[in-house]
Amino acid sequence: AQSVTQLDSHVSVSEGTPVLLRCNYSSSYSPSLFWYVQHPNKGLQLLLKYTSAATLVKGINGFEAEFKKSETSFHLTKPSAHMSDAAEYFCVVSDREEYGNKLVFGAGTILRVKS
Amino acid sequence: NAGVTQTPKFQVLKTGQSMTLQCAQDMNHNSMYWYRQDPGMGLRLIYYSASEGTTDKGEVPNGYNVSRLNKREFSLRLESAAPSQTSVYFCASSQGASIGGEQFFGPGTRLTVL
Repeated sequence: AQSVTQLDSHVSVSEGTPVLLRCNYSSSYSPSLFWYVQHPNKGLQLLLKYTSAATLVKGINGFEAEFKKSETSFHLTKPSAHMSDAAEYFCVVSDREEYGNKLVFGAGTILRVKS
Repeated sequence: NAGVTQTPKFQVLKTGQSMTLQCAQDMNHNSMYWYRQDPGMGLRLIYYSASEGTTDKGEVPNGYNVSRLNKREFSLRLESAAPSQTSVYFCASSQGASIGGEQFFGPGTRLTVL
């Protein structure tokens, strides 16, 4: 079965500084990987996805992630944090082994942005 | 285009009561899903429906039942609520049950079981 590990449960950055949210995955297949964002008391919104095309994936709001197969990582980055980026972020892998298009979620990383 | 809608937004139940959470999507998607979200655990799949007329168990199905009423609607029923079912429930939909497909999520239902 596939799994996802988000290495930090909380990350705190100052506004205008870079953001790095770390994610490692395990997969028996060529995975599809996603980052979703959840603002307080809201649903989940897709930030970006990797589906075996370019290894550097650009998403919305200036976020990007790089798929590194050798390291089994899919870290999320942003050059300059904004106050509106404060939210919880989920790294997700698509698991085809047991269920069609089942999404396996990491535990989440809460991003705090200080002014 | 409303996307995925869920009702109710909030609910408080007493142990043993029953209720149905409603979900509808207007994107003509084939597949629909129910997840629960608990602190520090991400989202876990309860049930899913790959297409109209089919339903299958996910990771945590015990205590729940589902109905795929038609292509648009997918409901989740708690027959006898327990405090362990206190959670936030999300419905999602996708074009198809194929690898790589993005899922679209509703706003969630916050359920408290006393």
